[in-house]
Amino acid sequence: DGGITQSPKYLFRKEGQNVTLSCEQNLNHDAMYWYRQDPGQGLRLIYYSQIVNDFQKGDIAEGYSVSREKKESFPLTVTSAQKNPTAFYLCASNKEPQGNEQFFGPGTRLTVL
Amino acid sequence: AQSVTQLGSHVSVSEGALVLLRCNYSSSVPPYLFWYVQYPNQGLQLLLKYTTGATLVKGINGFEAEFKKSETSFHLTKPSAHMSDAAEYFCAVSFTGRRALTFGSGTRLQVQP
Repeated sequence: DGGITQSPKYLFRKEGQNVTLSCEQNLNHDAMYWYRQDPGQGLRLIYYSQIVNDFQKGDIAEGYSVSREKKESFPLTVTSAQKNPTAFYLCASNKEPQGNEQFFGPGTRLTVL
Repeated sequence: AQSVTQLGSHVSVSEGALVLLRCNYSSSVPPYLFWYVQYPNQGLQLLLKYTTGATLVKGINGFEAEFKKSETSFHLTKPSAHMSDAAEYFCAVSFTGRRALTFGSGTRLQVQP
């Protein structure tokens, strides 16, 4: 079955550590996205990528980094510079053109101890 | 600024009653519109979408939404609520010139027996 996988489902991190969240899709989608979800705030865009080896900052990119070396993969690194990283992180993808719905992964819950 | 507003962070209905979840957006150009549902600790699932054509859109699980350009609204309805409808619902908009979706803050639907 085609879909988006995210791992791990739960992640605990000590302050000052970088962590990388995995996102893989086998839908042959061109565009991939990372969102952060906090209670009562909906989803906010961190980064997105429309093609391999290219990505753009979203609305809240500070303290995060990404790479897009393969079409199927779009990992997100939460760095120690992110001041409040505890949140639910969702990866999504869609096919061109604009207007096609985004498909979401199951999410990763990151907790900073 | 382009924005999405969902009126009511919490909505409670009785089983069998009408469900009405409100969504308004700010844009002079009709965008693409989506409703997603999220169950606890899961990703988002598409309920329905409007791109062009008929303004009354039918989705999964008996939900439908009507695009009203004059009111810049895209409210979600279901004639008869079921216990399994209890979840969080997000309105999302694909504004012209912006690749990613802009989400409302979400509405948590409770269904009382």
